[in-house]
Amino acid sequence: KAGVTQTPRYLIKTRGQQVTLSCSPISGHRSVSWYQQTPGQGLQFLFEYFSETQRNKGNFPGRFSGRQFSNSRSEMNVSTLELGDSALYLCASSLFTPGEQYFGPGTRLTVT
Amino acid sequence: GENVEQHPSTLSVQEGDSAVIKCTYSDSASNYFPWYKQELGKRPQLIIDIRSNVGEKKDQRIAVTLNKTAKHFSLHITETQPEDSAVYFCAASPPGGGSQGNLIFGKGTKLSVKP
Repeated sequence: KAGVTQTPRYLIKTRGQQVTLSCSPISGHRSVSWYQQTPGQGLQFLFEYFSETQRNKGNFPGRFSGRQFSNSRSEMNVSTLELGDSALYLCASSLFTPGEQYFGPGTRLTVT
Repeated sequence: GENVEQHPSTLSVQEGDSAVIKCTYSDSASNYFPWYKQELGKRPQLIIDIRSNVGEKKDQRIAVTLNKTAKHFSLHITETQPEDSAVYFCAASPPGGGSQGNLIFGKGTKLSVKP
């Protein structure tokens, strides 16, 4: 089976812009979780989608949003980018919860 | 909510030695405990996991132990090799998820194996 894929792999944006990141889960996996990884904060949970519904949401401002499509692909959007949003954004898919989560390669976002 | 603490933050061992990384969790209802390995510039990869109804699990040179009473679990790597050098993350899964999600991660341990 193909693994979790994320696009794009790298992004450079300026403050105030918005960005959309995409995640394609492993075939058959309906749960997709998003994490922000920074050197100082580790892996911080953003949100989880299951069958097109947001099931859990982390403590991030409303500028961070997401959605999931009927084919389980998920997107996250960050509006009005801030310098502090520079991070590696990882998505992970799983067949059931609690259970194994498999990570994508991540999208490295740099905000200048 | 669940809180996962991981120690040490850095660990340096000689090739061939054993390495042990320890994590504690706060929510006694947590029932799934995976370990991830993240090499520099790569994605976290699941290397081993354990559920709350099991006390120990082993896979070749890697083992995980769980003490539910004390609410801690540990990763043991024997006969370490340079390719074991990476950041290791533990995680705990409380029921229901919520604002923390399905997996709450420790801060990570940077393991360096010196040849």
